[in-house]
Amino acid sequence: EDQVTQSPEALRLQEGESSSLNCSYTVSGLRGLFWYRQDPGKGPEFLFTLYSAGEEKEKERLKATLTKKESFLHITAPKPEDSATYLCAVQTSNTGKLIFGQGTTLQVKP
Amino acid sequence: GAGVSQTPSNKVTEKGKYVELRCDPISGHTALYWYRQSLGQGPEFLIYFQGTGAADDSGLPNDRFFAVRPEGSVSTLKIQRTERGDSAVYLCASSLRGQIYGYTFGSGTRLTVV
Repeated sequence: EDQVTQSPEALRLQEGESSSLNCSYTVSGLRGLFWYRQDPGKGPEFLFTLYSAGEEKEKERLKATLTKKESFLHITAPKPEDSATYLCAVQTSNTGKLIFGQGTTLQVKP
Repeated sequence: GAGVSQTPSNKVTEKGKYVELRCDPISGHTALYWYRQSLGQGPEFLIYFQGTGAADDSGLPNDRFFAVRPEGSVSTLKIQRTERGDSAVYLCASSLRGQIYGYTFGSGTRLTVV
């Protein structure tokens, strides 16, 4: 059974304190791995798509990397506005259906 | 419209009642998805439409759940004989032909069954 696990469930950082979020996956065939950001009361907002091991994507203070078994979302010198829940998802079929992890809730304190 | 619109934003219903949740996708997006998100969990896939037809309904939990998209645009998720376990946020997303990059979510409908 395809499965996505994110860790930690919650993370508290001081402003400027860099860290990483983990997404481990077990799937029959990976077509893509996706990172989304979700703010309270909102739908998930697309951040990155990664397709093959070794691939990296960057956006402002965020950098996503992919291996054959896991992905990391690195947050460099975070700011309070980076506080949100970060969701990882995998696509295993050509329908676009996503399998999500449970998310990591990040809180950045000033 | 500019984004995916879902109505109502909140719905409280009594156990056993019937509810309808509406999704207005981005204009021109042929693919439409419904997900359900329980508190503290990631979204869980329910159903995928390509045009008017349900291309994948493998996520619908049982026959109380049904969704339609009669004209290939607006979709309605219908839940019969609601149960307290149906309480969750129901998210809709749309994209061009299933392309993930353009996968835009709405803000969801928070359904509470009392």
